[in-house]
Amino acid sequence: QSALTQPASVSGSPGQSITISCTGTSSDISDYKYVSWYQHHPGKAPKLMIYDVSNRPLGVSNRFSGSKSGNTASLSISGLQAEDEADYYCTSYTSSSPFVFGGGTKLTVL
Amino acid sequence: QVQLQESGPGLVKPSETLSLTCTVSGGSINSYYWSWIRQPPGKGPEWIGFIYYSGSTNYNPSLKSRVTISVDTSKNQFSLKLRSVTAADTAVYYCARSPTEVDPVPEYYFDYWGQGTLVTVSS
Repeated sequence: QSALTQPASVSGSPGQSITISCTGTSSDISDYKYVSWYQHHPGKAPKLMIYDVSNRPLGVSNRFSGSKSGNTASLSISGLQAEDEADYYCTSYTSSSPFVFGGGTKLTVL
Repeated sequence: QVQLQESGPGLVKPSETLSLTCTVSGGSINSYYWSWIRQPPGKGPEWIGFIYYSGSTNYNPSLKSRVTISVDTSKNQFSLKLRSVTAADTAVYYCARSPTEVDPVPEYYFDYWGQGTLVTVSS
């Protein structure tokens, strides 16, 4: 079982907005600013979408945003597009290890 | 553009040692942290450990007793050895890079990844 909890799946129609949650504990998300999010199309290299909770790397669309409250981090995607359909993973720094991952969320664009 | 490519056997026998290499192209291996990450079928990813270009390492406590990560800066490569493997070690193995903001402290995210390589543990 992964250390961080994500919903197994979320879906939305083109143009809509969705949010993916990532729930941890007091040993990870709530105590540190080091939450990151990755987009993974099967067979390709995962892509960094958000780092340090809410920062977007150069080249990532501003339709993607990140936030956290307490022990839950969130990835929001606005103006859903077909190309957003992918698996999404969160990670966090923890008191016992630099990185723990979430189990992943499959985003379906209807 | 930085690219990472994993290489190594796709099939390993139980109790033997899994060995993989990650070759970095389009950039230097210096001044970065280099991780191995794995994802068993149907499960979330698991961080295995990382190495700084200078050779210092940090491993996942759950795997520490079986893992060695090494770096060869002359070849722009780093490697993973996982000993005494079982079927539970069957996974897609990825290599990834973490930058440093203030040398030698890592940033806690991965800005480049390889495409991954499937390693199956079976007799």
